[in-house]
Amino acid sequence: AQRVTQPEKLLSVFKGAPVELKCNYSYSGSPELFWYVQYSRQRLQLLLRHISRESIKGFTADLNKGETSFHLKKPFAQEEDSAMYYCALLNNNDMRFGAGTRLTVKP
Amino acid sequence: DVKVTQSSRYLVKRTGEKVFLECVQDMDHENMFWYRQDPGLGLRLIYFSYDVKMKEKGDIPEGYSVSREKKERFSLILESASTNQTSMYLCASILGGLTGELFFGEGSRLTVL
Repeated sequence: AQRVTQPEKLLSVFKGAPVELKCNYSYSGSPELFWYVQYSRQRLQLLLRHISRESIKGFTADLNKGETSFHLKKPFAQEEDSAMYYCALLNNNDMRFGAGTRLTVKP
Repeated sequence: DVKVTQSSRYLVKRTGEKVFLECVQDMDHENMFWYRQDPGLGLRLIYFSYDVKMKEKGDIPEGYSVSREKKERFSLILESASTNQTSMYLCASILGGLTGELFFGEGSRLTVL
């Protein structure tokens, strides 16, 4: 069965510092992985998907099949990045999420 | 813009009551989901549906049932609400296929007394 693990419940960094939110997965097939974000008082929304190899709001995520990881990174965190971040894995019609990491960026 | 609308933002119910949470999407998406969101536990999948009248259990289906009579509507039913079902419930939909984006509703916060 597919499983997504986010080992850090809370992460706090100062503005301008690099940030990395960890995500590991277990899945026997070829995974489709995503990062979703929920800002305060807003809906959960897609941040980025691995298949697009895109950078959104300065964030990137690389799929490492050897380490079964999909960590989210940003070189210089901003205060507006403070939010709840969820890693997710899509298998056919089934989307599963990790427990989430709350990122706080301090001024 | 895709809209996923959950009928109730806040509900307060008593133990043993039957609870209906309604979700409607307007983009003709095949797949719809119900999750519950709890601090420290993230989003846990209750049920999902990939077509009308089709449903699949997620990780935590116990105590819940679902109904999908029309493509745009996916209902979550708590036959006999219990206090441990106090939570935020999120509905989502996605176009079929592996590269689709999941669209979420605003959530329904249920309190069971």
